[in-house]
Amino acid sequence: DAGVTQSPTHLIKTRGQQVTLRCSPKSGHDTVSWYQQALGQGPQFIFQYYEEEERQRGNFPDRFSGHQFPNYSSELNVNALLLGDSALYLCASSLRRTGRDQPQHFGDGTRLSIL
Amino acid sequence: GQQVMQIPQYQHVQEGEDFTTYCNSSTTLSNIQWYKQRPGGHPVFLIQLVKSGEVKKQKRLTFQFGEAKKNSSLHITATQTTDVGTYFCAGQSMNTGFQKLVFGTGTRLLVSP
Repeated sequence: DAGVTQSPTHLIKTRGQQVTLRCSPKSGHDTVSWYQQALGQGPQFIFQYYEEEERQRGNFPDRFSGHQFPNYSSELNVNALLLGDSALYLCASSLRRTGRDQPQHFGDGTRLSIL
Repeated sequence: GQQVMQIPQYQHVQEGEDFTTYCNSSTTLSNIQWYKQRPGGHPVFLIQLVKSGEVKKQKRLTFQFGEAKKNSSLHITATQTTDVGTYFCAGQSMNTGFQKLVFGTGTRLLVSP
């Protein structure tokens, strides 16, 4: 039973470029959330996708966008990269059940470095 | 917006000593979750607390959820070197329809043999 998989594992970009990160949820999960974790800090919620729609969003600019596909996989896109976007980007999947919050399962993350 | 703070930021103990980390939310939570992140790793789910005043145990780990559902604690009895890592609490607010988790600032635990 595969867990949450993310690709790539590492990525180096320069300022102003654009990046796309990918996530496949754990088998049976239907909800994908994305987090940004700067060095030495806790994960910060970017947004969450369910039924191919963005359902909640954290305090991140419009440069951060995403998508969820019919097979529940998801992409995170970041445009006009800034040095401050350097971080570990975590994808977490869960199963949404009405009236019951389910724990999230995290992938290993993509470490993005901006030069 | 909602903030979740943890204390201490860092603790260094000798193997066999106890350890406690405290978590405080600025808003009432519907539930709180605890995660452990090893150096270079990703957060791993430990437990979820839902009820006011709830206490749960996992071997040497004891988790508590406050009566007001705004604070929580994690206590480790007789730490081992395998307990090394950063412990995060993460809360979900009341009336949140979807699973936005607000993570705490984390407590980094170092255990010396």
